[in-house]
Amino acid sequence: DTEVTQTPKHLVMGMTNKKSLKCEQHMGHRAMYWYKQKAKKPPELMFVYSYEKLSINESVPSRFSPECPNSSLLNLHLHALQPEDSALYLCASSQDSGWTDTQYFGPGTRLTVL
Amino acid sequence: GQQVMQIPQYQHVQEGEDFTTYCNSSTTLSNIQWYKQRPGGHPVFLIQLVKSGEVKKQKRLTFQFGEAKKNSSLHITATQTTDVGTYFCAGGGNKLTFGTGTQLKVEL
Repeated sequence: DTEVTQTPKHLVMGMTNKKSLKCEQHMGHRAMYWYKQKAKKPPELMFVYSYEKLSINESVPSRFSPECPNSSLLNLHLHALQPEDSALYLCASSQDSGWTDTQYFGPGTRLTVL
Repeated sequence: GQQVMQIPQYQHVQEGEDFTTYCNSSTTLSNIQWYKQRPGGHPVFLIQLVKSGEVKKQKRLTFQFGEAKKNSSLHITATQTTDVGTYFCAGGGNKLTFGTGTQLKVEL
């Protein structure tokens, strides 16, 4: 099973809402990632978890809060977002956090902030 | 910081024509990965190159890693409509940095 699942597929939220994005993988991977992708742009790395610990935060605003409850799950908590945060949010996982490891991407959550 | 640029940004070809996208990094890379993203889809891993001057083939796709490990290319022979999508290179260094991407459209 080389699948990474993400829920929800689509999310519309107001600037005062609190919501969470969820990601799950059952490949036994020890590294998980959150990326943000704007239309016609490459994915931009946001966070990296390695062995359930946050190892990289690419200076992401605090209105985005990641959480890794266990080795299979990754959440992204959203609060007080801005319209410019509207994007496709991609989760990925890899065997380890070495940069030669293949990253497997989930289908993404398309987020719209009103 | 590390920058990875791809050219061209867009390419329209007739089915059966060849296609090449070029990837250039501002710094030396430990490896280069290539991903394909179909319209409305997510990036899907194609291949990884690690060695200087390495060439790998996957059916109609040929991937090269430059001698200086700062550039790479993807060449598709005889494009098909199934090749439509955006092709990203991603360079490994202290992190995986995605290139700007090349969007390929194939017309019948």
